[in-house]
Amino acid sequence: DSGVTQTPKHLITATGQRVTLRCSPRSGDLSVYWYQQSLDQGLQFLIQYYNGEERAKGNILERFSAQQFPDLHSELNLSSLELGDSALYFCASSVAASGAFTKQYFGPGTRLTVL
Amino acid sequence: SQQGEEDPQALSIQEGENATMNCSYKTSINNLQWYRQNSGRGLVHLILIRSNEREKHSGRLRVTLDTSKKSSSLLITASRAADTASYFCATDSNSGGSNYKLTFGKGTLLTVNP
Repeated sequence: DSGVTQTPKHLITATGQRVTLRCSPRSGDLSVYWYQQSLDQGLQFLIQYYNGEERAKGNILERFSAQQFPDLHSELNLSSLELGDSALYFCASSVAASGAFTKQYFGPGTRLTVL
Repeated sequence: SQQGEEDPQALSIQEGENATMNCSYKTSINNLQWYRQNSGRGLVHLILIRSNEREKHSGRLRVTLDTSKKSSSLLITASRAADTASYFCATDSNSGGSNYKLTFGKGTLLTVNP
């Protein structure tokens, strides 16, 4: 158990809908990262927040947005969903501002299926 | 785009044998990390090696880094069935200004047969 929690575990929805994925980082970690894992694209970095502020951005679509709240939990909002958004979405956390220089702790993921 | 590329894509060995996976990357790095992922589950950090290090050990794991060849290898000795998983290398890459992100390869699927 990494100490990172994600809800829900599974999500099935229809095209055009909007969903919210939630992540609670390990106690004491200030950075939260969001990743998307699909068979064709592999594991793609989406976005990072550090202590409530956006820190780094990756291949995140404009239909996707995220935020980190004062209690450090984070939410990833996916809207106008398309079939291609079906994937595993992982949240990770780290103590440091840059998880690229230290290890990241990954949550168990949310499996999103868009029908 | 992928920074690291693992090789081979899949590897099948018998319990007790050693497993070697390789990772090549394109641009200079500050460090390289290896992660393991059991089927459909979250990634688990294995080891981090900095660009000024050539070799690092952790239990049955040995990682080497050759910055001149832009490559790294992960060796798992005396493999066990429980080592069956996908293994990913990840490198740091600049995401703008002074911010960095981790970029993962597509992974090597290791199967250890009992």
